[in-house]
Amino acid sequence: EPEVTQTPSHQVTQMGQEVILRCVPISNHLYFYWYRQILGQKVEFLVSFYNNEISEKSEIFDDQFSVERPDGSNFTLKIRSTKLEDSAMYFCASSQRRLAPTDTQYFGPGTRLTVL
Amino acid sequence: LAKTTQPISMDSYEGQEVNITCSHNNIATNDYITWYQQFPSQGPRFIIQGYKTKVTNEVASLFIPADRKSSTLSLPRVSLSDTAVYYCLVDNYGQNFVFGPGTRLSVLP
Repeated sequence: EPEVTQTPSHQVTQMGQEVILRCVPISNHLYFYWYRQILGQKVEFLVSFYNNEISEKSEIFDDQFSVERPDGSNFTLKIRSTKLEDSAMYFCASSQRRLAPTDTQYFGPGTRLTVL
Repeated sequence: LAKTTQPISMDSYEGQEVNITCSHNNIATNDYITWYQQFPSQGPRFIIQGYKTKVTNEVASLFIPADRKSSTLSLPRVSLSDTAVYYCLVDNYGQNFVFGPGTRLSVLP
């Protein structure tokens, strides 16, 4: 079964540093998403991406965040200047179509970001 | 913006049927309801999706009343491996995807 992959599995960084989290969505999917989950809390939507541009974003997704599809396979989340409160698990997801009957968002295993 | 509420936790025993209800009072006409399962340190995994009435697949059933202000995930004959957090997701097209707070299901032997 095809799956979403994410690298690295764990990223440790110093406050103020830039980090790039990488995702490889399922190959025939067209919509890509980033979510985060602070330890012990619920999954929070960050951004969705379609046709090389952001289609929706949440209040969390401020100017410190950016997303990119640099080539035909990778989908990245960049945090320009990390803060302690950015420490969380970051999940990438992809779907073939915008949420619709019989469509599903497939989630990756996550990247645990620890900001020191 | 639809928000969801779910019980924080539930306990059950192996072999029992478990019903988890999610409230989404402000659901919009075009919104769908999707349930996900999450194990520790893993990404959410799709369980079932519906718009109205009843949907059934190989792992669960989803009941949605006519007013669509709530939905109930039904897991038949749970096993220990069903211990997880269950999230209710309402699709706010054009706004944000909103995960519910999640229900921590503990299945006991």
